[in-house]
Amino acid sequence: EAQVTQNPRYLITVTGKKLTVTCSQNMNHEYMSWYRQDPGLGLRQIYYSMNVEVTDKGDVPEGYKVSRKEKRNFPLILESPSPNQTSLYFCASSPQGQGNQPQHFGDGTRLSIL
Amino acid sequence: GNSVTQMEGPVTLSEEAFLTINCTYTATGYPSLFWYVQYPGEGLQLLLKATKADDKGSNKGFEATYRKETTSFHLEKGSVQVSDSAVYFCALGGSSGGSYIPTFGRGTSLIVHP
Repeated sequence: EAQVTQNPRYLITVTGKKLTVTCSQNMNHEYMSWYRQDPGLGLRQIYYSMNVEVTDKGDVPEGYKVSRKEKRNFPLILESPSPNQTSLYFCASSPQGQGNQPQHFGDGTRLSIL
Repeated sequence: GNSVTQMEGPVTLSEEAFLTINCTYTATGYPSLFWYVQYPGEGLQLLLKATKADDKGSNKGFEATYRKETTSFHLEKGSVQVSDSAVYFCALGGSSGGSYIPTFGRGTSLIVHP
């Protein structure tokens, strides 16, 4: 089954404790992206990757890091999480990152930073 | 830059009522337009899309027509069901400098009562 898989689905942690949210897709997609969803603000893009070893900032990259060492994986790293990063996070992918291609989304990761 | 504006929700309807969710956009060029649906506890999934002016996207009884003259992509359904209760996102697939820059609206919550 074609899918985007995120882990963990839920995480409660404390300020300053490094964490990684993994994202993996099995569709051989070149483009991958991370979003955060907050009430009243919709989806905002954090980082995206057009292909392996190519990453770029989205609208709200501060406090996040990503890497793209292989095509299927695109982890999101919070080196020193803070409470304002409490949010619902989505990973997404599309075949080549072209404007006419829809994105495939994971089921989300709900992070709570205390 | 690109932007998408959706009507604010929640939209509350009775079963079998007619649904319209308004979406307007600003963009350079002629981007593809999408509607995504997010059911509770899940990620976004593509509902329909249109890639050029006057195209009509349709799926599961939902329709939307790409109107270049009014820069709109309103979502409609003739008879909603309780199972249509979800959050709906309008989005455009833009690009800049060879990179894919998707833009999402803030989402409109739909609640359908029996």
